[in-house]
Amino acid sequence: EPEVTQTPSHQVTQMGQEVILRCVPISNHLYFYWYRQILGQKVEFLVSFYNNEISEKSEIFDDQFSVERPDGSNFTLKIRSTKLEDSAMYFCASSTMTSGEKTQYFGPGTRLLVL
Amino acid sequence: RKEVEQDPGPFNVPEGATVAFNCTYSNSASQSFFWYRQDCRKEPKLLMSVYSSGNEDGRFTAQLNRASQYISLLIRDSKLSDSATYLCVVTPPGRDDKIIFGKGTRLHILP
Repeated sequence: EPEVTQTPSHQVTQMGQEVILRCVPISNHLYFYWYRQILGQKVEFLVSFYNNEISEKSEIFDDQFSVERPDGSNFTLKIRSTKLEDSAMYFCASSTMTSGEKTQYFGPGTRLLVL
Repeated sequence: RKEVEQDPGPFNVPEGATVAFNCTYSNSASQSFFWYRQDCRKEPKLLMSVYSSGNEDGRFTAQLNRASQYISLLIRDSKLSDSATYLCVVTPPGRDDKIIFGKGTRLHILP
């Protein structure tokens, strides 16, 4: 069964450093998403991406964040100048959004720890 | 009122029992509804979509009540492997590309 993959599974970084989280969505999916989940809290929407541009972003997704689809398979989230409060699990998801199929499939996540 | 609200639990239920969760949503024009389950430190996984007419998948039954703006999930004959956090998920009106999660209800099935 096709699945979303994410790398790395864990990332430890120093405050102020830049990190890039990588995702490979399911191959025939057209919509891509990033979510984060701070420990003990709910899953929060960050951004959705379609046709090589951001289609929606939340108030969390400020200038510190950016997304990119550098090639036909990868979808990345870049966090510039990381802060302590960026420590969280980051999930990538993808969906087809065709014929009423709206299900989003999630990757296993990257656990980011900012020290 | 929160966009999606759930009783956080935990629900501690003996194996074999029936358990029900409710979830309320604030935007009456919301269009799509789902239940996901999340195991500890894992990604959310789709359990089932929730249709207006209600739907059943094995031991799981989901219901939608648009008038009262709530969604329910019923688990019959609960098993140890059902222990997880159950996440209520709603799509805002006109925004199929965004989903809003509730904080989840923790379920512990006791042997």
